[in-house]
Amino acid sequence: GENVEQHPSTLSVQEGDSAVIKCTYSDSASNYFPWYKQELGKGPQLIIDIRSNVGEKKDQRIAVTLNKTAKHFSLHITETQPEDSAVYFCAARSFQKLVFGTGTRLLVSP
Amino acid sequence: DGGITQSPKYLFRKEGQNVTLSCEQNLNHDAMYWYRQDPGQGLRLIYYSQIVNDFQKGDIAEGYSVSREKKESFPLTVTSAQKNPTAFYLCASSGLAGGPYTGELFFGEGSRLTVL
Repeated sequence: GENVEQHPSTLSVQEGDSAVIKCTYSDSASNYFPWYKQELGKGPQLIIDIRSNVGEKKDQRIAVTLNKTAKHFSLHITETQPEDSAVYFCAARSFQKLVFGTGTRLLVSP
Repeated sequence: DGGITQSPKYLFRKEGQNVTLSCEQNLNHDAMYWYRQDPGQGLRLIYYSQIVNDFQKGDIAEGYSVSREKKESFPLTVTSAQKNPTAFYLCASSGLAGGPYTGELFFGEGSRLTVL
């Protein structure tokens, strides 16, 4: 079955810096890659997703890139702000099964 | 406001006791899911339901049971057979019933269960 690895587990940046979180997946049949943000004490919320027929997608300060050949996808956050501090999860969907990564705790210091 | 409501937020249980976690949604979604979240292990699927009166096991269903008598409700029972029940439990729903994992997932705020 699908296996998703996510790195790093913790990421600390200064406000205004960029942050990059990387995920790899194992199943070449995976075709949908969402990213969820979980704030303290809340449930995860979808922030951006990408499908396998697209290489990059942007939404204001966040972007996701996908390399199907290498089977990895990344979340990029530019001009980070303290409110970006949260746990971020990547996921990959294969044969209608969504498998999550282990999460990255992002800390943005003012 | 539309959303998913989980209760209770915190729950303590003695070993050997069953406990039921509530999940209600008013998003008119067909599909509902239960995930377990442990530190460093991401989200793991326990059970899911695509339609009323039907549900399927996820990856870690042992020691858990569910019911789906109403579209809006998908309660999870953590039974005494679950060997390590202390965890954070998340309920989610999805508007697409074409498959158990399709579409955006909308999560509740979770229930933290601690077994004493």
